Amino acid sequence: GDSVTQMEGPVTLSEEAFLTINCTYTATGYPSLFWYVQYPGEGLQLLLKATKADDKGSNKGFEATYRKETTSFHLEKGSVQVSDSAVYFCALSGSNSGYALNFGKGTSLLVTP
Amino acid sequence: NAGVTQTPKFQVLKTGQSMTLQCAQDMNHEYMSWYRQDPGMGLRLIHYSVGAGITDQGEVPNGYNVSRSTTEDFPLRLLSAAPSQTSVYFCASSPRALAGYNEQFFGPGTRLTVL
Repeated sequence: GDSVTQMEGPVTLSEEAFLTINCTYTATGYPSLFWYVQYPGEGLQLLLKATKADDKGSNKGFEATYRKETTSFHLEKGSVQVSDSAVYFCALSGSNSGYALNFGKGTSLLVTP
Repeated sequence: NAGVTQTPKFQVLKTGQSMTLQCAQDMNHEYMSWYRQDPGMGLRLIHYSVGAGITDQGEVPNGYNVSRSTTEDFPLRLLSAAPSQTSVYFCASSPRALAGYNEQFFGPGTRLTVL
């Protein structure tokens, strides 16, 4: 079945450092790919998405490119801020699972001043 | 526009008790779903609904029931609570069913402890 694998955390970075969180997926067909973010004590909210190969999703300085050849959707940000501290979830949605979201286990990010 | 609302925010149950977690959305979304979040496990789908009167099982449905009598509401029932159901529960909705490109909107969650 469909699955998502993302790098384990926690990830600790200094403010203004470069961020990469790796995400790879297994799916048949052409799933849509998402990054969700969960701030402490809150629900998940969509950070960015890409619905077809080579699409780049971007939001709030974060970017991720849908790479079908490497089945990856890595999250990047050039300069992180303390306010980016959160848990980040990679997810996919495809026909195999009735278009429900299939989540990775999440990566906790802590940005220190 | 309140989005997705969940009640209660916190709940403590004893083993064997039953309860209903409430979820409502005011966005006229077709698709609604319930997830549970456990440490190191990400979010796992419990049940989902593609429209009023239609529900289906997700990855971890055992011990839970759902119904969808209206577009707005999607309650989750725990029939006989067990300690293994201690978790944070999230309800989510999406504009269209069977449309994987849609964003899902999440509620704030219910933290449930079963003693």
